[in-house]
Amino acid sequence: EAQVTQNPRYLITVTGKKLTVTCSQNMNHEYMSWYRQDPGLGLRQIYYSMNVEVTDKGDVPEGYKVSRKEKRNFPLILESPSPNQTSLYFCASSLYKGQAYEQYFGPGTRLTVT
Amino acid sequence: RKEVEQDPGPFNVPEGATVAFNCTYSNSASQSFFWYRQDCRKEPKLLMSVYSSGNEDGRFTAQLNRASQYISLLIRDSKLSDSATYLCVVNDYKLSFGAGTTVTVRA
Repeated sequence: EAQVTQNPRYLITVTGKKLTVTCSQNMNHEYMSWYRQDPGLGLRQIYYSMNVEVTDKGDVPEGYKVSRKEKRNFPLILESPSPNQTSLYFCASSLYKGQAYEQYFGPGTRLTVT
Repeated sequence: RKEVEQDPGPFNVPEGATVAFNCTYSNSASQSFFWYRQDCRKEPKLLMSVYSSGNEDGRFTAQLNRASQYISLLIRDSKLSDSATYLCVVNDYKLSFGAGTTVTVRA
């Protein structure tokens, strides 16, 4: 089954404790990205990657890191989480970064930082 | 001004009714447009792309008005299963998401 998976699905952590949210897709997609969703703000892009070893900042990259060592995986790293990073996070992939390509989203990770 | 703006709703309609709502965008150079559906904080899923000539997919009709910079979504013969949040997505050099319009269809 074609899908994007994320882990963990739910996470409660404390300020400053490094964490990684994994994302994996099995569709051989070139393009992957991370979004956060907050009430009233819509999805905002954190980072994106157009291919292996190619990553770039989105709209809200501060406090996050990513890597793309393999085509299928695109982990999101919070080196020192803070309460303002409490949010719902979605990983997405698409065939290419292009105008008409459908974004496939993972199931989401609900993160709470206390 | 936000890049993509939507009326948050909720639009509360009875089964069988028609409901329509718009999304406005700020960048006149935007090239492509989409409607995504999101159920109760689950992942968004593509509902339909919006073409210049407008397009229809079953009970759903999407229209683009470039002059006034808005796109619309119309749902005919609403079903209970249409209850969701509908996200407007605009692509220029990046994807910009609206905050969503919530539709609740009641029995």
